[in-house]
Amino acid sequence: ILNVEQSPQSLHVQEGDSTNFTCSFPSSNFYALHWYRWETAKSPEALFVMTLNGDEKKKGRISATLNTKEGYSYLYIKGSQPEDSATYLCAFPDTGGFKTIFGAGTRLFVKA
Amino acid sequence: DGGITQSPKYLFRKEGQNVTLSCEQNLNHDAMYWYRQDPGQGLRLIYYSQIVNDFQKGDIAEGYSVSREKKESFPLTVTSAQKNPTAFYLCASSADIAAYEQYFGPGTRLTVT
Repeated sequence: ILNVEQSPQSLHVQEGDSTNFTCSFPSSNFYALHWYRWETAKSPEALFVMTLNGDEKKKGRISATLNTKEGYSYLYIKGSQPEDSATYLCAFPDTGGFKTIFGAGTRLFVKA
Repeated sequence: DGGITQSPKYLFRKEGQNVTLSCEQNLNHDAMYWYRQDPGQGLRLIYYSQIVNDFQKGDIAEGYSVSREKKESFPLTVTSAQKNPTAFYLCASSADIAAYEQYFGPGTRLTVT
């Protein structure tokens, strides 16, 4: 079974702080890398689907980068707001593309 | 509105009983998935289906069964053979391949006593 690691497990920041977390995945047979945001009492929602080495995607204050050669992706949040509090999941579809392996997530708490 | 519905939100069952969790989507997606979440762990894949009348075991399929008779429906049965069925279950769907993002339902929390 492929392993997808996320760090840190949880993070407490103050409103206005910028923060980042890491997703590590197998560098061989790369297919795509997904980031999701999962707010409490809601369903996980897709943030980014990244497919190319060097990809950088941005949505508002949130951005992500991808390094497929070394097997990691970073998610950045600039100027964190309390509404950014959520669990951020990364997911890695294995070869063939259907079995997606999820990391355990990074739980972000943003204090006002 | 397009989306995925799961019912019920909370489900309680006695040990030894089979229970079926509903998942319906109106997104016209070919692929559907069932995941299980336990505290402190990531989502683990139970079963997935690429097209109607076809499904494949995920990493933790033992004690579960599924059917895919209609494109929009992918029910999951938790059988009495599942040793530790109490968990949070999420259903998802996506366009034909996993390079596309998955859309998730609201989940069902199953408690077996």
